[in-house]
Amino acid sequence: EAQVTQNPRYLITVTGKKLTVTCSQNMNHEYMSWYRQDPGLGLRQIYYSMNVEVTDKGDVPEGYKVSRKEKRNFPLILESPSPNQTSLYFCASSPGTSGRSSYNEQFFGPGTRLTVL
Amino acid sequence: DAKTTQPNSMESNEEEPVHLPCNHSTISGTDYIHWYRQLPSQGPEYVIHGLTSNVNNRMASLAIAEDRKSSTLILHRATLRDAAVYYCILRPRFHSSYKLIFGSGTRLLVRP
Repeated sequence: EAQVTQNPRYLITVTGKKLTVTCSQNMNHEYMSWYRQDPGLGLRQIYYSMNVEVTDKGDVPEGYKVSRKEKRNFPLILESPSPNQTSLYFCASSPGTSGRSSYNEQFFGPGTRLTVL
Repeated sequence: DAKTTQPNSMESNEEEPVHLPCNHSTISGTDYIHWYRQLPSQGPEYVIHGLTSNVNNRMASLAIAEDRKSSTLILHRATLRDAAVYYCILRPRFHSSYKLIFGSGTRLLVRP
């Protein structure tokens, strides 16, 4: 089944303890992205990757890191989490970037609910 | 980025058609109109998109005004499973970050 998977789905941690949220897609998509969703603020893009070894900042990148060593994986790293990073996180992927056509549908994962105490 | 305006919420009865409106008066000629929805406790999912002509797929229809300043997502027969937040999003034809800019959307309530 074509899908985007995220792990863990739920995580409670403490301030300063490094964590990684994994994202994997099995559709051979070139493009991957991370969003966070907060009440009243909607979904906002954190980082994105146009292909392997190509990543760039989205609208709210502070406090996050990403890497894209393989096409299928795009982990989100919080080196020193803080309470303001408590949020619902979604990973998304999209087929391709050739021609930068805008109509490619994005596939979203099920979300990771993170609480930082 | 061009902005969209949607009603905060709408209600429908099961098995009746639903028309979800979206205003986008500042749309540019190369912006695509996308619709996504987010079911409770799930990630957003693609519904439909269009540029100028009306579009149909297995999930819904998209009616685009002639001046492109508004569009309507049509669910032909609402089911309880269609209860979700529906987002109308404009995406430039060529966009370096591929990001989707989600507004607050329309929360659709479907009554049995």
